[in-house]
Amino acid sequence: GEDVEQSLFLSVREGDSSVINCTYTDSSSTYLYWYKQEPGAGLQLLTYIFSNMDMKQDQRLTVLLNKKDKHLSLRIADTQTGDSAIYFCVPKAGGYQKVTFGIGTKLQVIP
Amino acid sequence: SQTIHQWPATLVQPVGSPLSLECTVEGTSNPNLYWYRQAAGRGLQLLFYSVGIGQISSEVPQNLSASRPQDRQFILSSKKLLLSDSGFYLCAWSGGHRGTDTQYFGPGTRLTVL
Repeated sequence: GEDVEQSLFLSVREGDSSVINCTYTDSSSTYLYWYKQEPGAGLQLLTYIFSNMDMKQDQRLTVLLNKKDKHLSLRIADTQTGDSAIYFCVPKAGGYQKVTFGIGTKLQVIP
Repeated sequence: SQTIHQWPATLVQPVGSPLSLECTVEGTSNPNLYWYRQAAGRGLQLLFYSVGIGQISSEVPQNLSASRPQDRQFILSSKKLLLSDSGFYLCAWSGGHRGTDTQYFGPGTRLTVL
């Protein structure tokens, strides 16, 4: 199965950029997802990147993938209080859909 | 568009009582369905998945069971709840007519066993 490592907590000031890092073990990962979970809510698909890409930008979100180092990051520009949530990095190989979710990174945005 | 529903949103049950949580998906057909549990301070643990009606695979031994009586309905059950069953239960779907692996989650059910 896939092992994922993320920092447990990240605290940033409103308006600053946030960078959430993730390392994974399975080099056959085809899709790499980022999910967001607000308090008491389900998981929301935030963005994803294919393994043949290095970068993907979607408004305030930038995903960087270093496939050689098996490192994925999520950058949130101009972080807002509404970005406070837990963020899950979810790498997944192609084919059958089972994935492994780690504990995630809890992002706290300070007003 | 596809939507996924779970109910109830919150549930408080005594130890030893039965459980039934329901999940339904709209707007797609033949989805893969999943039940996860998220305990406090822990990641998501896959409990069951289903690739079709009546087809259930269990990932971890436990006193919970799952059933899929209809294509877009997934039910999580227990005959006798344990304290350790407390947690946040999430249902998810993938595939269906989109044919992709991306999982989409429901709003979750908060279960507290006292």
